[in-house]
Amino acid sequence: QVLLVQSGAEVMKPGASVKVSCKASGYTFLNYPFSWVRQAPGQGLEWMGWISTSNGNTNYAQKFRDRVTMTTDTSTSTVYMELRSLRSDDTAVYYCAREERVVGAPDYWGQGTLVTVSS
Amino acid sequence: DIQMTQSPSSLSASVGDRVTITCRASQSVSNYLNWYQQKPGKAPKLLIYAASSLQSGVPSRFSGSGSGTHFTLTISSLQPEDIATYYCLQTFTTPNTFGQGTKLEI
Repeated sequence: QVLLVQSGAEVMKPGASVKVSCKASGYTFLNYPFSWVRQAPGQGLEWMGWISTSNGNTNYAQKFRDRVTMTTDTSTSTVYMELRSLRSDDTAVYYCAREERVVGAPDYWGQGTLVTVSS
Repeated sequence: DIQMTQSPSSLSASVGDRVTITCRASQSVSNYLNWYQQKPGKAPKLLIYAASSLQSGVPSRFSGSGSGTHFTLTISSLQPEDIATYYCLQTFTTPNTFGQGTKLEI
């Protein structure tokens, strides 16, 4: 079965960087791209960007474009999201999600990684 | 960016009720409209993709309709386990954008 397992919670200082991992299993990793979505406490869902697992192409939301990098490691079926220059309003749960092939809807999601930014 | 507007923001209903949630796009998204259910502390769950296709394993009481700019999610007979927040998501163009959510209560 498809399973996405994310790395554990992080507490970071303002200005630092965080790198969240998402390890996929149960299907052919190269066949499906990934999105990253975040959710601040008590708030809605926010799309951060997309990465192709076959060629590493990325597409970031303008809001994050100068601070985020998404990468893949095909040898371990893992995708990564690094967010730099963290601020307190980056405190959120970060989700990775595999995209299905019909309309690109995220169909399988990781369990989420809480990133807390606090001095 | 395409703006997605859901209504209502919150909804109180009774078990067995027919419930409808609406999502409107600021411009056409064709049928690239998807619906999610999220329970507290959990990741979103895909219910409907491509406006009206039921995701595998999702109960048939959930259905979706619409195209272009106006979409609806319908729960034909509300069950206690349906208490959650529901989001629409357009994947027609990047940045993909979510509606603000509809909190469903009994």
